[in-house]
Amino acid sequence: SQQGEEDPQALSIQEGENATMNCSYKTSINNLQWYRQNSGRGLVHLILIRSNEREKHSGRLRVTLDTSKKSSSLLITASRAADTASYFCATPWNQGGKLIFGQGTELSVKP
Amino acid sequence: EAGVAQSPRYKIIEKRQSVAFWCNPISGHATLYWYQQILGQGPKLLIQFQNNGVVDDSQLPKDRFSAERLKGVDSTLKIQPAKLEDSAVYLCASSLVTVTGTGGGEQYFGPGTRLTVT
Repeated sequence: SQQGEEDPQALSIQEGENATMNCSYKTSINNLQWYRQNSGRGLVHLILIRSNEREKHSGRLRVTLDTSKKSSSLLITASRAADTASYFCATPWNQGGKLIFGQGTELSVKP
Repeated sequence: EAGVAQSPRYKIIEKRQSVAFWCNPISGHATLYWYQQILGQGPKLLIQFQNNGVVDDSQLPKDRFSAERLKGVDSTLKIQPAKLEDSAVYLCASSLVTVTGTGGGEQYFGPGTRLTVT
């Protein structure tokens, strides 16, 4: 079953603009993770936010988590053409490490 | 540190044929995962190993898919016989998380094997 759902499914912006992607999930979690996937490549872990955190930063990335609304957002500031990729949120299913991924947001940054 | 290695990168087979994928996780990572990613979708877990034992294979189509992780390091995923709907990217990932740990930590992915079944 799909735990996380990203919104929008696709996003096209100009270089230098900010990109915001949202993720909603269904069950209680102890953390939420964001991954990036460049075309034809594997996934790369971007950031992990724990359930007791509300906001986390990493370079140009800002992630928020609202456990009351079961939602998270990923903000990429000052986007670059190299940020063009698909972005997935993922939540743990159990204590064993299994992750459930959403459908992803396809981001296109035009130079 | 070397990343997760997978081979082959691409494979084209006819339906009803068999195929095998290989994965070498990051050294020291006890947990290994195989995911199937169909075009336009997120990865879906097929099987999870903790060392050489299976933790979760609830979504593995066991009538045609099999996987093993002998000696708790390398792993192979096999499909026999393949169907058209098996066309996908097969991703291997590894992590330090243990079954008795806090769970759900960062996973490191390999480049994937793109399978096309004709």
